[in-house]
Parts: sequence; C-alpha cells; structure tokens
Amino acid sequence: KNQVEQSPQSLIILEGKNCTLQCNYTVSPFSNLRWYKQDTGRGPVSLTIMTFSENTKSNGRYTATLDADTKQSSLHITASQLSDSASYICVVRHASGGSYIPTFGRGTSLIVHP
Amino acid sequence: NAGVTQTPKFQVLKTGQSMTLQCAQDMNHNSMYWYRQDPGMGLRLIYYSASEGTTDKGEVPNGYNVSRLNKREFSLRLESAAPSQTSVYFCASSEAVPQAFSYEQYFGPGTRLTVT
Repeated sequence: KNQVEQSPQSLIILEGKNCTLQCNYTVSPFSNLRWYKQDTGRGPVSLTIMTFSENTKSNGRYTATLDADTKQSSLHITASQLSDSASYICVVRHASGGSYIPTFGRGTSLIVHP
Repeated sequence: NAGVTQTPKFQVLKTGQSMTLQCAQDMNHNSMYWYRQDPGMGLRLIYYSASEGTTDKGEVPNGYNVSRLNKREFSLRLESAAPSQTSVYFCASSEAVPQAFSYEQYFGPGTRLTVT
C-alpha cells in the first residue's frame, strides 16, 4: 500500500532556531515528491518539488533533501520566523493507470514561539 | 487574479440534506480536483477532472457527485449528507493534466462542512 509517513507529528521551536521535518514513503513507482506549507484556515501552497535525480533543493530558508534509495525526504527550515508556524505536508506521486496520483502525508504541525 | 475560490466557507447540514460546494479558478487551468481533509489524516482525493468534459473517481468518491460545468468551474454535490462527511473540503486546480509527470496544484481556501 502506498503510504507517506511524516515525523514529528508536531514541533515547537523558538524563533531564530533551525528545525528538520522528516518524510518516509513507501510509494511505488516513485515519480516526484513535493513539500507544501498549509497555514491555518488556508489551502496548501507548494514549497518545492523533488524528482528522482535530485538530492537537494532550496527555496529561501527552506531546503529539501531526497534519498530515493532509502525513500526518505527532509525539509530543513533555517532561522525560523513566526510566519513559519504552519502545517508542512509531504506529498509523493506515483504512476498509476496513466496518471500520476498524489499520496498526502498527515503533515507536521510547526509552532514557532517568539 | 483570485486564483481558486470556493463557496461557501462554512456550512452546517442535517443528516439527509443535500448541498453543492462551488469551486472556480481564473488561471485557465485544465485540471481541477476535490479533496477532503480530516483531522489526523492526509488530504484524500474525492474526484478530479483532467479536462473540461471529463471526470474521474479518486480515492474516496462514495457519497459524492461532481460536475465540470466549464473550464473554470468544478462543483461537488452531496446528495444525502452523512455525519461521516463532516470535513474540510479543498478544491484545487493545475495547468498540467494528471497524466503529466509533474504538475503543481493550486488550492482554494477550503469549505468547512459539519453534518449533524
């Protein structure tokens, strides 16, 4: 069964600190992986996409890594800000019947305190 | 440019009532999707429309119907609401079709539905 597991479920950090969120998946065959940020009461917004051949990709203070061999991805947030408080969702796509179907993780809820 | 809009934002229904959730996008995207998000679970795909005139079932289609009214609009209908359909519903759109290797989805703000 295609699954996406994220850890930790929730995380509280102080403003200015770094943190790393984890995503493990069993989706097969793997197509690509996206990280989304979902602010409270809003829809998810894409942060970055990783394909099979990519190991690291940055988007400002967000850096995503992918290890396709171990089926793991991480999202590292540097110098956290209050506005980083949100849920971060890992989405892995796999090929199925001619389409690329997304499987969503449950998300990691990040709270940044001043 | 509003992106993806959804109406209503909130709705309370009684068991057995029907309603339609509306979704519109102004990005000229080809594909549109309906998801539900429940506490402690990832978003799950209900239905999608790869292009105008086509619709396909997703992971959890039971109890729902959809209509792709035109390229801009994609509605989700609950014919006889049940408490198990209490959820937050998100509409999304993408320029590329689901058959494309990589497509970014743009999400609306969601509709919070409670069925009592």
